[in-house]
Amino acid sequence: GAGVSQTPSNKVTEKGKYVELRCDPISGHTALYWYRQSLGQGPEFLIYFQGTGAADDSGLPNDRFFAVRPEGSVSTLKIQRTERGDSAVYLCASSRTHRGIGREGGREQFFGPGTRLTVL
Amino acid sequence: AQSVTQLDSHVSVSEGTPVLLRCNYSSSYSPSLFWYVQHPNKGLQLLLKYTSAATLVKGINGFEAEFKKSETSFHLTKPSAHMSDAAEYFCVVSSSNTGFQKLVFGTGTRLLVSP
Repeated sequence: GAGVSQTPSNKVTEKGKYVELRCDPISGHTALYWYRQSLGQGPEFLIYFQGTGAADDSGLPNDRFFAVRPEGSVSTLKIQRTERGDSAVYLCASSRTHRGIGREGGREQFFGPGTRLTVL
Repeated sequence: AQSVTQLDSHVSVSEGTPVLLRCNYSSSYSPSLFWYVQHPNKGLQLLLKYTSAATLVKGINGFEAEFKKSETSFHLTKPSAHMSDAAEYFCVVSSSNTGFQKLVFGTGTRLLVSP
């Protein structure tokens, strides 16, 4: 079946430009996550959507970063006035609705292949 | 706050020999722990997960991990390495206390397998 897809796979832009990164989650997955993976590091959480709303955006580094999910499916991560330090692989993941705590903490997140962003 | 420490940035083994990738965690709550694998130019794939059931967890491709609360460890093992196991491995902790699965990744261990 279709997994999580992300477009573009690679994006090269100039410092100061605006970029949009798209994520198509697995059909029926109501939870969607964005992570950023810098070179040589593990992925870092950016934002989590439950349906259309951003339930937790505590990982967004500053107000240049914004994400939307208007219809509860596709999500777009938007970065304004890009800086060289924004260069990284941006990963998207989706999962079924996460209910409860404790033993329910194991809802698997399925990751997309990522978008490699390079800011020159 | 939750965190994980992967004790080795690189591990080199010969094909057919055992694999041990070490991970220690820190968590304020009863943690959920995971191991993910990342092959070059491919998405992260879940190998196995611990969510307060059996402490010895079996995953895909012959990998397993043991949750040891007294040692705050969750080491990943495999009895016999295969060339296709060469990849980056991430130990991950999640706090389910918040009601959603915010994953906190370690810095990764690159597994090198030689013939």
